[in-house]
Amino acid sequence: EDQVTQSPEALRLQEGESSSLNCSYTVSGLRGLFWYRQDPGKGPEFLFTLYSAGEEKEKERLKATLTKKESFLHITAPKPEDSATYLCAVQASDYKLSFGAGTTVTVRA
Amino acid sequence: GAGVSQSPSNKVTEKGKDVELRCDPISGHTALYWYRQSLGQGLEFLIYFQGNSAPDKSGLPSDRFSAERTGGSVSTLTIQRTQQEDSAVYLCASSLSPGAPYEQYFGPGTRLTVT
Repeated sequence: EDQVTQSPEALRLQEGESSSLNCSYTVSGLRGLFWYRQDPGKGPEFLFTLYSAGEEKEKERLKATLTKKESFLHITAPKPEDSATYLCAVQASDYKLSFGAGTTVTVRA
Repeated sequence: GAGVSQSPSNKVTEKGKDVELRCDPISGHTALYWYRQSLGQGLEFLIYFQGNSAPDKSGLPSDRFSAERTGGSVSTLTIQRTQQEDSAVYLCASSLSPGAPYEQYFGPGTRLTVT
């Protein structure tokens, strides 16, 4: 069975203080690893898809990387509007996404 | 363009009643998914549609749960004889086609409270 573990559970940052979120996974036949952002009371918002080890993608202050066992979401010089829960999910041989529990990021001004 | 829409946004129901939750996917998306997010837990897969057929119903927690999709578009998730443990946010997602590389786009969810 696919397993996705995210750490830490919560992260409090000062504005401008860069940090990284971890997503470790165990899956048979990874077809894609997805990062989503979820704000309170809203549905997850798609951020990135990664397909193979060594791949990197960037969007504004966010950068996602992928190895054979884990993915990192790097937040560079975060702003208060980056506060959200970040979800990692894997897709294996079927079509469903298996999600981690998420990391809740709070950025203080 | 319009994203995934869900209705109602909130639903409070008494234990034992039936409820219907609706999802309107992004136009042109052939794949549709239902997930459940319970307080303090991750998203849990319920069911997946390709067109009007459901190849994977493996996540439905009991036979009280059913879903259908008509016209390759709107989907309805029905929960019969609701129980308190059914209280959760029910999220719908759609994608252009099933599986990677096609991203799943989520709606805002329906918050279900069973009293």
